[in-house]
Amino acid sequence: DIQMTQSPSSVSASVGDRVTITCRASQAISDYLAWYQQRPGKAPKSLIYATSILQSGVPSRFSGSGSGTDFTLTIRSLQPEDFATYYCQHYKSYPPTFGGGTKVEIK
Amino acid sequence: QVSLVESGGGVVQPGRSLSLSCAASGFTFRSYAMHWVRQAPGKGLEWVAVISYDGGFKDYADDVEGRFTISRDNSKNMMYLQMNSLRPDDTAIYYCARVPIFGVVTLGNFDLWGRGTLVTVSS
Repeated sequence: DIQMTQSPSSVSASVGDRVTITCRASQAISDYLAWYQQRPGKAPKSLIYATSILQSGVPSRFSGSGSGTDFTLTIRSLQPEDFATYYCQHYKSYPPTFGGGTKVEIK
Repeated sequence: QVSLVESGGGVVQPGRSLSLSCAASGFTFRSYAMHWVRQAPGKGLEWVAVISYDGGFKDYADDVEGRFTISRDNSKNMMYLQMNSLRPDDTAIYYCARVPIFGVVTLGNFDLWGRGTLVTVSS
């Protein structure tokens, strides 16, 4: 199985800050990488797929990059509604696996 | 309105069975592969199972293989997860999710999620 490792596990930030979350795959996954946002008590919401393509309706302050094994999610100018937990997920092969999550907290 | 709605969760004793349902609406359900993903309390996301658009392909996480069975009824826009021999570590919110690609592709990102249904396995 391909393991997905996210860092950091949590980050404290203020409204307006730039936040970067890293996801590393245990083997190359090309660009088969997605990012999700999960607010407390809610279902995950798709943000980005194919490493860098924004899901329809997702604000442009979110961006994704990377290839092979190393990927990043960047939130430019953090907004109050962005405080949540973020997960990466590969879909290169079965089983698709998720990173452990990164909780973005209010400083 | 495109949506997925799970149901069937509850409290069940270890070793017993439970069946979950996922009702789809607002899109051509029969054209998409569907998955189950679970989340234990306070934990991360874990993939459980997949079924192709026509039910011809199914796959399971190692942890549930042989105990869980995924199925679908395209005439009713429904997907199911039959869970047998339940264990305490199966306790989780179970989500159904769609892969946003028509036809034979089963693996992709999940663009549509339900709100989930909570399964608690406890004596």
